[in-house]
Amino acid sequence: QQQVKQSPQSLIVQKGGISIINCAYENTAFDYFPWYQQFPGKGPALLIAIRPDVSEKKEGRFTISFNKSAKQFSLHIMDSQPGDSATYFCAASWGYGNKLVFGAGTILRVKS
Amino acid sequence: EPEVTQTPSHQVTQMGQEVILRCVPISNHLYFYWYRQILGQKVEFLVSFYNNEISEKSEIFDDQFSVERPDGSNFTLKIRSTKLEDSAMYFCASSARETSNEQYFGPGTRLTVT
Repeated sequence: QQQVKQSPQSLIVQKGGISIINCAYENTAFDYFPWYQQFPGKGPALLIAIRPDVSEKKEGRFTISFNKSAKQFSLHIMDSQPGDSATYFCAASWGYGNKLVFGAGTILRVKS
Repeated sequence: EPEVTQTPSHQVTQMGQEVILRCVPISNHLYFYWYRQILGQKVEFLVSFYNNEISEKSEIFDDQFSVERPDGSNFTLKIRSTKLEDSAMYFCASSARETSNEQYFGPGTRLTVT
């Protein structure tokens, strides 16, 4: 019940295209859903996050879509660039000060 | 911009040896965490720490592991007797309770146990 399932495992997108990564969860106590970007040899960097009181949040080229009834959320990267090539992790948590439960990660490669 | 720092960046140790991984969380943060990531796998929670005590620990965090906040700035993870399977990247993170559980990660320490 604590799991967060992430797909796809890897993704290749042409420059300028839209990258879409999906996550699903079971635990309805989760109320905080961040996405992290990780480059090789670096720590995860917080990219964007959403709470279940909204269905969508946009920051620049990054958008989170959230479907509470389906218990799913997704990351959309518009106008994908080669510099976006990284591993993306979704995560979930609840309240304040609690652990993050991470998805398995998606390796994104943007071809120029 | 404030950031979490970790030292060393890479630690090589022999099986059975003790290691201490060090972290300096963001200065006004209240919650501190250790996570680990085995090469190519997902990030796994180890332990959370608040108000000078452990808030939660995972099954991975057995008696060989301990955490400490020895002063107002450092947060350490000690592994008493390292095993080969402890080889991983260890990330420290911190969050401020007043915000939305945003956790900020350090660059990590790569631990190699030989």
